[in-house]
Amino acid sequence: EVQLVESGGGSVQPGGSLRLSCAASGFALSDHYMEWVRQAPGKGLEWVAGSRNKANSYTTEYAASVKGRLTISRDDSKNSLYLQMNSLKTEDTAVYYCARDVAAGGGWYFDLWGRGTLVTVSS
Amino acid sequence: DIQLTQSPSFLSASVGDTVTITCRASQDISSFLVWYQQKPGKAPKLLIYAASTLQSGVPSRFSGSGSGTEFTLTISSLQPEDFASYYCQQLHSYPVTFGGGTKVEIK
Repeated sequence: EVQLVESGGGSVQPGGSLRLSCAASGFALSDHYMEWVRQAPGKGLEWVAGSRNKANSYTTEYAASVKGRLTISRDDSKNSLYLQMNSLKTEDTAVYYCARDVAAGGGWYFDLWGRGTLVTVSS
Repeated sequence: DIQLTQSPSFLSASVGDTVTITCRASQDISSFLVWYQQKPGKAPKLLIYAASTLQSGVPSRFSGSGSGTEFTLTISSLQPEDFASYYCQQLHSYPVTFGGGTKVEIK
């Protein structure tokens, strides 16, 4: 079955760290751009970070709000995507989704999403 | 960064109604515009990509149009399962951005 499953969420104090994982199955992670998107409680969707595929040298992009604190990485041998979260702030509290980014039919789009994992930053 | 302004942020409608949601981009994004549906506690679901291409399996009552800076999502003959939040997204360039969302509720 083609799916993404996030894990690693939890509660952490401000300034703390957390590492999220996203396990992919049913497809090869190395073929795809992969993204992290978050949603604060009761708020809209916010893109966080992206990782291009092997053909594009695994280069990365970040939202300004997380640059320097969050790091996206992947281990294609484990077919897994990661988000290392350091120096966490209360405003990082959100459900974090990983998503597969696809180019087809003249456009790009996120066609496969995980169920999300909740990160709560609070003292 | 490309800003997406989505309107309205909230709309109340009845089963059978036709509703239209607008998404305006702060600069030309050609047709790199995507629409998602999200229900409470669930991940977003892809509806339309490339501004007007219906994702496989999505009912034909959903349609998208536009290019450049003005885009619309239309839901014809609203069904009970369509009451949800809808988001536009631009994938013209990084950073990827989303519109603020539109919540469609039952009148």
